[in-house]
Amino acid sequence: DGGITQSPKYLFRKEGQNVTLSCEQNLNHDAMYWYRQDPGQGLRLIYYSQIVNDFQKGDIAEGYSVSREKKESFPLTVTSAQKNPTAFYLCASSIGPGTPLQQFFGPGTRLTVL
Amino acid sequence: AQSVTQLGSHVSVSEGALVLLRCNYSSSVPPYLFWYVQYPNQGLQLLLKYTTGATLVKGINGFEAEFKKSETSFHLTKPSAHMSDAAEYFCAVSASGGSYIPTFGRGTSLIVHP
Repeated sequence: DGGITQSPKYLFRKEGQNVTLSCEQNLNHDAMYWYRQDPGQGLRLIYYSQIVNDFQKGDIAEGYSVSREKKESFPLTVTSAQKNPTAFYLCASSIGPGTPLQQFFGPGTRLTVL
Repeated sequence: AQSVTQLGSHVSVSEGALVLLRCNYSSSVPPYLFWYVQYPNQGLQLLLKYTTGATLVKGINGFEAEFKKSETSFHLTKPSAHMSDAAEYFCAVSASGGSYIPTFGRGTSLIVHP
């Protein structure tokens, strides 16, 4: 089955550590996205990539970094510069840039800073 | 710029009653509109979408929504609520002015009472 996988499901981090969240898709989609979800705030865009080796900052990129070396993969690193990283992180993909079609979402990773 | 407002962070209905979740959007160009559903600790799943054509859109699980340009609205309805409809619902808008990157509302939590 085609879809998006995110790992791990739950992640715990000590303050001052960087952590990387995995996102893989086998839908052959060009565009991929990372969102942060906090209660009552909806989904806020962190980064997006519309093609391999290119990515753009979203609304809340500070303290995060990404890479897009392969079409299938779009990992997100939460750095120690992110002041309040505890949240639910969602990865999504869509067919391509500049299209109004829907996004497909992964199951999410819940990050907790201890 | 585009934006979405979902009126009511929580909506409570009895099983069998009408479900109405409100969504108003702002867009300077013709919008594309989406409703997604999220069950606890899961990703988002598309319920329905409006791109062009018929303004009354039918989706999965008996939901439908009507695009009303004059009211800038895209409210989600279901004639008879079921216990399994209890979830978080998100309205999203995308448009050419925003490179079709979606903007999400803050979400509405639907509570269904037996």
